[in-house]
Amino acid sequence: GAGVSQSPSNKVTEKGKDVELRCDPISGHTALYWYRQRLGQGLEFLIYFQGNSAPDKSGLPSDRFSAERTGESVSTLTIQRTQQEDSAVYLCASSPQPYSGANVLTFGAGSRLTVL
Amino acid sequence: AQSVTQLDSHVSVSEGTPVLLRCNYSSSYSPSLFWYVQHPNKGLQLLLKYTSAATLVKGINGFEAEFKKSETSFHLTKPSAHMSDAAEYFCVVSYYNQGGKLIFGQGTELSVKP
Repeated sequence: GAGVSQSPSNKVTEKGKDVELRCDPISGHTALYWYRQRLGQGLEFLIYFQGNSAPDKSGLPSDRFSAERTGESVSTLTIQRTQQEDSAVYLCASSPQPYSGANVLTFGAGSRLTVL
Repeated sequence: AQSVTQLDSHVSVSEGTPVLLRCNYSSSYSPSLFWYVQHPNKGLQLLLKYTSAATLVKGINGFEAEFKKSETSFHLTKPSAHMSDAAEYFCVVSYYNQGGKLIFGQGTELSVKP
């Protein structure tokens, strides 16, 4: 597509429920990133995909968080047994280049998660 | 740990006056530096990037930034603010020895008064 698409744009869930967030990168972009943005804070790196492998998942905050990617296409971020501190905007980005210091990322509009 | 610090959480200017958003990074091997802008309910957009070429970098919408190694700074400027510049601005750094991971500052909210 023309840009990075994320769904849902908004999700309200109850504490303890599982949620899935989806990211559709720009067609042909091999690299895909997930970031989290808590209210009033900068972006925290979660995980990076090159193709369907994840060379760097150092930012996943706990084993309740997992992500997968199908080929060089859609990625899903899953949060199990959600907690209130998981409330944030989850941003996905993609890039045509492999992981490097000069990466320019194209970001999606984000999925706002609210855990009650 | 490598980091980036945005010195102001909020900056307010009048339309037509200069904009200065300050950013300092922790010294390391040659960093790549970026400024991103985030308008309300919109995705992050790249304003400009520095990757060891010219130290004065020009970006979109009249913004520019100067890389000063001696001061470990990468401040963002614009000569004349426009109402449409009101947004959140993020200074971002990446280091090759960290695999190019993007490290975001906390953000500076820019308000532009008529």
